Amino acid sequence: GENVEQHPSTLSVQEGDSAVIKCTYSDSASNYFPWYKQELGKRPQLIIDIRSNVGEKKDQRIAVTLNKTAKHFSLHITETQPEDSAVYFCAASTVTGNQFYFGTGTSLTVIP
Amino acid sequence: DAGVIQSPRHEVTEMGQEVTLRCKPISGHDYLFWYRQTMMRGLELLIYFNNNVPIDDSGMPEDRFSAKMPNASFSTLKIQPSEPRDSAVYFCASSLTNYNEQFFGPGTRLTVL
Repeated sequence: GENVEQHPSTLSVQEGDSAVIKCTYSDSASNYFPWYKQELGKRPQLIIDIRSNVGEKKDQRIAVTLNKTAKHFSLHITETQPEDSAVYFCAASTVTGNQFYFGTGTSLTVIP
Repeated sequence: DAGVIQSPRHEVTEMGQEVTLRCKPISGHDYLFWYRQTMMRGLELLIYFNNNVPIDDSGMPEDRFSAKMPNASFSTLKIQPSEPRDSAVYFCASSLTNYNEQFFGPGTRLTVL
């Protein structure tokens, strides 16, 4: 089955700097890659996703890049703000498969 | 739609008692997932259903855990008997397909004394 690895497990950045979180996957059939944000005490919520037919997707300060050859995808947050502090999870799924795999999470702290 | 609804929001029980967690998915969603989240183990998928049928229960810790989905609008996760190590936040999520956004419920915080 699929194996999703996520790095780093914790990340601290100064407000205004960029943050990058990386995930790798093992199943070449995976073609849907969402990112979820979970604030303290809240539920995970989707912030951005990408499908395998594109290499990059942006939404304001958030972007995701996908390298299918290398089987990795990354979340980029620019101009970080304190409210970006949260745990971020990546995930991978396939159209034909019956599984949805989450990474182990990255705890991001933005220091004011 | 009110989103995914879970009850109760908090549950405190004593070791050995039966615990039942409930979930109402978003109407029209064919997939329903049960997750457990702890500091030590992170977010774990326990079981998921497609059109009310359990597809993968390989994440269910042991026979003390069972899940049912009698119809498209209701699912339960039961722990019998409960143990202190079952203390965690249990999330239910639903989605249209297995490659669309999963919408999470608010979670049930379970404490087993």
